[in-house]
Amino acid sequence: AQSVAQPEDQVNVAEGNPLTVKCTYSVSGNPYLFWYVQYPNRGLQFLLKYITGDNLVKGSYGFEAEFNKSQTSFHLKKPSALVSDSALYFCAVSRYTGRRALTFGSGTRLQVQP
Amino acid sequence: DVKVTQSSRYLVKRTREKVFLECVQDMDHENMFWYRQDPGLGLRLIYFSYDVKMKEKGDIPEGYSVSREKKERFSLILESASTNQTSMYLCASGRDRERDTQYFGPGTRLTVL
Repeated sequence: AQSVAQPEDQVNVAEGNPLTVKCTYSVSGNPYLFWYVQYPNRGLQFLLKYITGDNLVKGSYGFEAEFNKSQTSFHLKKPSALVSDSALYFCAVSRYTGRRALTFGSGTRLQVQP
Repeated sequence: DVKVTQSSRYLVKRTREKVFLECVQDMDHENMFWYRQDPGLGLRLIYFSYDVKMKEKGDIPEGYSVSREKKERFSLILESASTNQTSMYLCASGRDRERDTQYFGPGTRLTVL
C-alpha cells in the first residue's frame, strides 16, 4: 500500500519570506512524486513532479521541491512567498496497480499574509 | 492547453435519485479518473479507466459506477444517491507517456438532500 502524509493542515507565512510545505511518503520501490495546487473554486493544477534524476525539482510559479530518499520526504519550497500563492496544496505519489493512479495527501492550506 | 470539462459546477439531487456526472477531455488521453474531495481527507480515487470500455476500482468505489464508451468521455454514476455522497467530484485525465501527470477539470459540487 502507498500513502502520503501532509502533517500541517495550514501554513502561515509573511509575504516575501521563504515557504515550506511538508510531505512524506510511504511506497515500495521507487516513487513518482507530485505537487498540485488548488485555487478557490477551481480544479487542481499540476505544479511539479519527481520521476528520477536530480533531487531538486523546479516547477511552475517559482516553486521547487526536494526529494530526500533517506527521509522519504518531498517538501515544497519557494524562496519568496506571494499573497497570490495562498491556496490549497496537495502532495501525491504514484502507485502501480496494473495501471497507474495517484494517491493524494490530505492537503495543506497555505496562507500568505501581506 | 489540455482541457478537461465537467458537465455541471453545482448539482443538487434528492436521495435515491440516479445521478450522472459527465467528464470530457480534448487531448486524446488514454487514462481518465474520478475522485471525490472532502475536507481533511484530500482526494480519494473512486474509479479510473485506461481505455475505452475498461475500468478499474479505486479506493472507494462503493455506491458508484462508471462508463467509458468513447475515449474522450468518462461518466460517473451514482445509482441511488445518498446524503453521504455530498461532496466535490473531480475528474482528471492523463496519458501513459507523461508518467502519471494528471490534468483536472474544475469539479462538480454535488449536494444530496
